[in-house]
This record gives sequence, structure tokens and C-alpha cells, in this order.
Amino acid sequence: AQSVTQLGSHVSVSEGALVLLRCNYSSSVPPYLFWYVQYPNQGLQLLLKYTSAATLVKGINGFEAEFKKSETSFHLTKPSAHMSDAAEYFCAVSPNNDMRFGAGTRLTVKP
Amino acid sequence: NAGVTQTPKFQVLKTGQSMTLQCAQDMNHEYMSWYRQDPGMGLRLIHYSVGAGITDQGEVPNGYNVSRSTTEDFPLRLLSAAPSQTSVYFCASRSGSPTYEQYFGPGTRLTVT
Repeated sequence: AQSVTQLGSHVSVSEGALVLLRCNYSSSVPPYLFWYVQYPNQGLQLLLKYTSAATLVKGINGFEAEFKKSETSFHLTKPSAHMSDAAEYFCAVSPNNDMRFGAGTRLTVKP
Repeated sequence: NAGVTQTPKFQVLKTGQSMTLQCAQDMNHEYMSWYRQDPGMGLRLIHYSVGAGITDQGEVPNGYNVSRSTTEDFPLRLLSAAPSQTSVYFCASRSGSPTYEQYFGPGTRLTVT
């Protein structure tokens, strides 16, 4: 069985500060890992994905994530937060015949 | 290219009523799935399908039925709506190897009174 745990249901940062959203996974097979973003009243949009190639993955909007097998982690980072980054972020694990999501982390960006 | 479409966008049902949430994709993806999203619980998988004629249960299948007669369509049926089924429902389709990228519809907000 596969699962993900997102540490922190709410994260608040100041504009320009580092964004760090944490995700740990559990998987019995080599995982595919994903980060999605959801803006209010919208569907989910893929930010980036890890599919067993490079361990440092770059995504859209300046986000990146590093796959660390020893720590079973796939944390999402962005060097400098922007007001438009305020949203809910979901980590997800695959590649069996379903994709399992974490509970989500709501990111607030303060001016 | 419309991607994944869902209808309706909003729906209010009374307890005990039945309805079907529609989902269609035009990317020729074999894999499709239904999730429900509830505050603080992320997205939970209801049912999924790996191709026409093949469906299986996810984490929270009770109270829902699905069928997959074509590659394009994957409707979700609520048999007898309950207030606990008040949620936002997302349909998704996924590409195969090597990317396994999942595309989501815009969602259906369902309220059961």
C-alpha cells in the first residue's frame, strides 16, 4: 500500500521568504511522486513530478522538489514566495492503479 | 482539446435521491478515476477504471457505482444520496508510462440536504 503524509495543514510565509512544504511517502515499490496546486474553487494543477529520473525536479512557477529515498521525503520548495502562490498544495504517490493524496497544506503569503 | 470535463458544476439533492455525475475525457487515456474532496482530508479515491469494461473500488466506494462502457466516459452514480456525500467530486484521467500524469476536471460541488 502507498500513502503520503503532509506535515503541517497550514503554512504561512512572508512575501519573498522561502517556501517549504513537507511530504513523506510510504511505498512498497519505487514510487512516482507528484505535487499538485489547487487555487480556490478550481481543480488541481500539476506542479511537478518525480518518475525515477533526476532526484531534483523542477516544476512550474519556480517550484522544485527533491526526492530523498533515505528519508522517504519529497519536500516542495520555492526560494521566494509570491502573493500568487497562496493556494492549497497536495502531495501524491503512484504508480499503482490509483494515486493517493496527502491531506493538503494551505499556504498563506503575507505582504 | 477540452481535457477532462465534468457536469454539472453544482448540484443540490435531497436525501434518498439518486443522480449521475458525468465525466468525459478526450485524451484517449485508459485510466480514469473519481475522487471526493473534503476539508482536511485531501482527495480520497472512490472508484477507478483501467480501461473500458474494467472498474475497481478505491478507498471510499460505498454508496457509489461506476461503469466504463467507452474510453471517453466514466460516470459516477449516487444510488441513494446521504448528507455524508456532500462534497466536491473530481474526475481525473491519467496517461500511461512513462509519465503517469493525471489530469483533473473542474469538479462538481454536491450538497445533500
